[in-house]
Amino acid sequence: EVQLVESGGGLVQPGESLRLSCAASGFTFSGSWMHWVRQVPGKGLVWVSRINSGGSSTNYADSVKGRFTISRDNAKNALSLQMNSLRAEDTAVYYCARAADGTRNALDIWGQGTMVTVSS
Amino acid sequence: DIQMTQSPSSLSASVGDRVTITCRASQSINTFLNWYQQRPGKAPKLLIYAASSLQSGVPSRFSGSGSGTHFTLTISSLQPEDLATYHCQQSFSTPYTFGQGTKLEIK
Repeated sequence: EVQLVESGGGLVQPGESLRLSCAASGFTFSGSWMHWVRQVPGKGLVWVSRINSGGSSTNYADSVKGRFTISRDNAKNALSLQMNSLRAEDTAVYYCARAADGTRNALDIWGQGTMVTVSS
Repeated sequence: DIQMTQSPSSLSASVGDRVTITCRASQSINTFLNWYQQRPGKAPKLLIYAASSLQSGVPSRFSGSGSGTHFTLTISSLQPEDLATYHCQQSFSTPYTFGQGTKLEIK
């Protein structure tokens, strides 16, 4: 079964760090570009970051640049998002997603999401 | 950054109705436009990619059109299970911005 499963969310205080993980299965992870998207409950989707299939190229939204780092371990079929210097406005559900080949970068597989709450 | 503007932000329609949602980009994005459906409490699901290509497994009542800066998602005959929020997204250049979403309610 094609699947993405996120983990690592939780409650942290402002300024603290958190690392999200995304476990992939059922498809060739090493050949896929991967993304993180977040959503404040009840609000719209916000693109956060992406990484190419080999892990050598990354992009970030301005709101997280310099604080978040996306990475991957193709041997373990795992995607990560290291989040440092967290702010209240980073509170959201975080989804990992796969960009499908031949779809002009559309996101065809999504995880169930993991909630991150930044609050004192 | 490319801004994506969806309209309407919400709409209510009856089963069997034809429904159209519009998405406009602040600059030309060719056909790098995708539509997602998000049912309550669930992750988004890809419906349409490259403006008009139907994702595998998606019912044929969904269709997309447009290019450049103006795009539409059409549901030809609304079904009860189409209750959801619909999001457009440009994948022309990073950051891959989304529209604000259109919440579709069934009368």
